[in-house]
Amino acid sequence: DTGVSQDPRHKITKRGQNVTFRCDPISEHNRLYWYRQTLGQGPEFLTYFQNEAQLEKSRLLSDRFSAERPKGSFSTLEIQRTEQGDSAMYLCASSPWPNTEAFFGQGTRLTVV
Amino acid sequence: AQSVSQHNHHVILSEAASLELGCNYSYGGTVNLFWYVQYPGQHLQLLLKYFSGDPLVKGIKGFEAEFIKSKFSFNLRKPSVQWSDTAEYFCAVNAGNTGKLIFGQGTTLQVKP
Repeated sequence: DTGVSQDPRHKITKRGQNVTFRCDPISEHNRLYWYRQTLGQGPEFLTYFQNEAQLEKSRLLSDRFSAERPKGSFSTLEIQRTEQGDSAMYLCASSPWPNTEAFFGQGTRLTVV
Repeated sequence: AQSVSQHNHHVILSEAASLELGCNYSYGGTVNLFWYVQYPGQHLQLLLKYFSGDPLVKGIKGFEAEFIKSKFSFNLRKPSVQWSDTAEYFCAVNAGNTGKLIFGQGTTLQVKP
């Protein structure tokens, strides 16, 4: 399968713990995006990378959130000191910029208890 | 701020009925427009996209959408729905030169056999 891959698919964590998610984009896609989706809502933009450079962060991304794409391939999204409000589906997408068509992974569902 | 509005939150149709899902966006410049579909348990998939040219675009599975610039709309249509079209549908706009998508809140379509 050569689509966007996310790991893990599901994560249950206790409030206050740190979690890290991984995204493997379609190879040779230079842009990688992270979105968050809560129940009954559309995905909301969090941040994106052009190769290894993080070009924009949404105001939704508090200082507890950090994302990296160290070698311009896979990316990680870390949430420190998780809160119940962080419970959501975290989606990753990639695109072969300047083509703006984004391909999405299946997401990581985070539940903070 | 850019925004996307989907007016139908939950639509129930019988098979063979015609479908039209509304989507309006707010942005005064050049936009790229998308409809994504999410089948139960699956990732977001692109149905169709508009970048430029003919405002009537055709996508997969018999779907089409019409871009009406004067109305800031990009409504999705299908002449005859099938039970397998049961899914959540998201309209999205890519405004500016970032590739990030602004999504509507989604429409849940339920097709009764």
